Amino acid sequence: DGGITQSPKYLFRKEGQNVTLSCEQNLNHDAMYWYRQDPGQGLRLIYYSQIVNDFQKGDIAEGYSVSREKKESFPLTVTSAQKNPTAFYLCASSYTGTSDEQFFGPGTRLTVL
Amino acid sequence: LAKTTQPISMDSYEGQEVNITCSHNNIATNDYITWYQQFPSQGPRFIIQGYKTKVTNEVASLFIPADRKSSTLSLPRVSLSDTAVYYCLVGIYSGAGSYQLTFGKGTKLSVIP
Repeated sequence: DGGITQSPKYLFRKEGQNVTLSCEQNLNHDAMYWYRQDPGQGLRLIYYSQIVNDFQKGDIAEGYSVSREKKESFPLTVTSAQKNPTAFYLCASSYTGTSDEQFFGPGTRLTVL
Repeated sequence: LAKTTQPISMDSYEGQEVNITCSHNNIATNDYITWYQQFPSQGPRFIIQGYKTKVTNEVASLFIPADRKSSTLSLPRVSLSDTAVYYCLVGIYSGAGSYQLTFGKGTKLSVIP
C-alpha cells in the first residue's frame, strides 16, 4: 500500500524544546517537501529536497532544520528558535522535481504549550 | 515570489458548475498552475495541472487565458462531497529544472443541497 506517512498525528511540546516530525514515503519519489499551514494562510513551503543529501530552503525556513539521508525519509526538526511553532505541518513528495504532482501525507498538528 | 489571490469562500447548489479563479502575476510559458483539494485535517489532493489554454480531466477543467494573469478551476455538477477548500499553486521556473512554489490562501467551497 503506497503512500506517505507522518507521525505522530498530534504532538505537544513545551516551549524551548526541539521536536522532530517524521515523514516517510514508499512511492520511490525523488523529491520531498515540508509545508506549514496556519488558519487562513494556505500552505507555506519550509524546505524541500530533490535528491538524497541535498535540500533547499523554502519561504519560511528560519527556526527549522531537515535532513535527507535516505530517499524514503525527510524528517523536520522544529527548533526552539522558531517563534510561533504551533501549526499543522504537511509533508509531500513528488516523482522527480518541483513541476510534478505532489502527494501529501495526513499531517501532524503541533501544539506548543 | 509569486503573489496569488483567490476568493475566500464560495457557495453553490448541488448539480451546478462552479468556477474558482486564481489571480497571479502574469506567468511565463514555462510556469504552471496546479489546483489541490483539501478536506479538514487531511493533506491536500491533486486535482489538475496546466501550463496554457485549457486542460480537462475526469473531475475538472483548468482554463488559463492568453494573458496568463489568472486561471480558473471549473468543477462540473458539484455534489455535497465537493465541499472542501481549494488551493491554487503557481510554479515559477527558476532555472536548472526547478520551480519556485507559491500556494494561494485557499477558497472554501460550500455545496448546498
